[in-house]
Amino acid sequence: GNSVTQMEGPVTLSEEAFLTINCTYTATGYPSLFWYVQYPGEGLQLLLKATKADDKGSNKGFEATYRKETTSFHLEKGSVQVSDSAVYFCALSRSGGATNKLIFGTGTLLAVQP
Amino acid sequence: EAGVTQFPSHSVIEKGQTVTLRCDPISGHDNLYWYRRVMGKEIKFLLHFVKESKQDESGMPNNRFLAERTGGTYSTLKVQPAELEDSGVYFCASSPGLVETQYFGPGTRLLVL
Repeated sequence: GNSVTQMEGPVTLSEEAFLTINCTYTATGYPSLFWYVQYPGEGLQLLLKATKADDKGSNKGFEATYRKETTSFHLEKGSVQVSDSAVYFCALSRSGGATNKLIFGTGTLLAVQP
Repeated sequence: EAGVTQFPSHSVIEKGQTVTLRCDPISGHDNLYWYRRVMGKEIKFLLHFVKESKQDESGMPNNRFLAERTGGTYSTLKVQPAELEDSGVYFCASSPGLVETQYFGPGTRLLVL
């Protein structure tokens, strides 16, 4: 079946450090891939997405590239800020059916220290 | 434009009681989804409405859970009777079309004692 695996947290970094959160997926067909973020006390927000192989999603300095050969969608940011502290969820959805439900990973807590 | 809203934000109930969660999607969004995150694990799909019809309810854990979307606007998710393992955060999301971005609400944190 379809599934998403992301690295265990928490990830603790100092401000301006480089961030990578690994995400790999298992899916039939050609899923769309997403990163959602949940800031403290708030709901989930879409951070970025990619809908086909080799697409790069980007937003707020974050990037992720859809790699079909390695079934990965790793999240990266060159210089994190304290305000990036949040829980990050990798997710996929399969298009072409009657539903477009999202399948999530377990989430990775990022804590950025000043 | 108002986002997805959920009520209540928190609910603490005893095992065996009934709780009803409400979700108001973004106006005009035909698609409404319920998800649940239990004990810090992955967020899991529960069901999907298109307007007032249940499109996919494959994620509903058992018959203690009942979701409705009368009139195709807001939705309710009732848990009756609640069990300890139902504790978690229940998220609602909506989208205008099937392949478009899902916008999430802040969630309802449910604790069953």
